[in-house]
Amino acid sequence: EVQLLESGGGLVQPGGSQRLSCAASGFTFSNYGLSWVRQAPGKGLEWVSSISGSGGSTYHGDSVKGRFTISRDNSKNTLYLQMNSLRAEDTAVYYCAKDRILFTGSPSTFDYWGQGILVTVSS
Amino acid sequence: DIQMTQSPSSLSASEGDRVTITCRASQSISRFLNWYQLKPGKAPKLLIYAASSLQSGVPSRFSGSGSGADFTLTISSLQPEDFATYYCQQSHSTPLTFGQGTKVEIK
Repeated sequence: EVQLLESGGGLVQPGGSQRLSCAASGFTFSNYGLSWVRQAPGKGLEWVSSISGSGGSTYHGDSVKGRFTISRDNSKNTLYLQMNSLRAEDTAVYYCAKDRILFTGSPSTFDYWGQGILVTVSS
Repeated sequence: DIQMTQSPSSLSASEGDRVTITCRASQSISRFLNWYQLKPGKAPKLLIYAASSLQSGVPSRFSGSGSGADFTLTISSLQPEDFATYYCQQSHSTPLTFGQGTKVEIK
């Protein structure tokens, strides 16, 4: 059974940093791309960042480019999102999501998601 | 960026009703269109991928259709567990983008 479990959320001050983690199990971790998708309070879903199975390719949305960095440790089956220079508008539930397709070079379709972790940016 | 527009933004329906949600892309995306179901406090769920392919384990009352820029999600007979918010998402190109969501509420 595929499981994705996010951690590392909480309250952070504007301008601060936070690192999210997503521990994965139930599939061959290095074979699949992974992504972060967020949902701000009362808003819809927003794609944040993606990374290929090898970690060699990364993609970031314009709203986080230069501030957030996605990475993965295939030896630990864990995905990360390093968030710097946080703003109030980054307040959201952050979901970790797995690509449906094996060895795909770019993010596409998310067949499994975690339950999400709340990040609140406020003073 | 490809903009995705869903309609309606919300709807009220009764158990057993046939429900249709539409999604329009700002440009042609062939069949690179997915549908997700969100419930509060739960992991989002993939329902339909590639416009009309039913994800494994998803009940057959869910179906998707369309190509190019216009797509539809249909629930043939609404069940109590289907009351949720539904999102379309284009997988044609990055940045991946979602529709604004359609909340299906109990009438």
